[in-house]
Amino acid sequence: NAGVTQTPKFQVLKTGQSMTLQCAQDMNHNSMYWYRQDPGMGLRLIYYSASEGTTDKGEVPNGYNVSRLNKREFSLRLESAAPSQTSVYFCASSEAEYQETQYFGPGTRLLVL
Amino acid sequence: AQSVTQPDIHITVSEGASLELRCNYSYGATPYLFWYVQSPGQGLQLLLKYFSGDTLVQGIKGFEAEFKRSQSSFNLRKPSVHWSDAAEYFCAVFMFSGGYNKLIFGAGTRLAVHP
Repeated sequence: NAGVTQTPKFQVLKTGQSMTLQCAQDMNHNSMYWYRQDPGMGLRLIYYSASEGTTDKGEVPNGYNVSRLNKREFSLRLESAAPSQTSVYFCASSEAEYQETQYFGPGTRLLVL
Repeated sequence: AQSVTQPDIHITVSEGASLELRCNYSYGATPYLFWYVQSPGQGLQLLLKYFSGDTLVQGIKGFEAEFKRSQSSFNLRKPSVHWSDAAEYFCAVFMFSGGYNKLIFGAGTRLAVHP
């Protein structure tokens, strides 16, 4: 099992460009999450999907949209990238929303110029 | 406000020395508690977790943590550190809050190990 995979690993964008970060899990988990990690701030939840067909905002959703494409895949879209969105993005999954152990992907490093 | 605090941003220990990383949380009820480790350029890996029961929990790689309700703490320990333990460590607390259930992370403690 690959666990949680993320693509791309690295990306450089110009201000105003758009992109989609992809995440997939092969553990048959119901819940999936997107976090961003910034120095000195730990991880902050952007959006999450408790189950297929549902998505909800987290702590820092502004400037992002998500799509739960199916049970395996959960994508994060930046419609108009801003330098403040320079960060490392992590996708995670868990068996259910109330199943508290989350499993993390390797991350996507995004630089917005 | 609900929060997780890791007071030490950086810690340096010698190989073979003991280690304790501190974590305090602010939450009205008993939370679910986690420690994750992140090696450079990698994602987060779960070291251990506490949901209920014995307040001293054992994890992978020889780590253990103790939940102290009276101190709202969940400190991570290891009796003898190895060079491969150099990484960043995150304490996280799962809280049942009004809007949604959320996993709140501390800012992290970066561990350096001297040979």
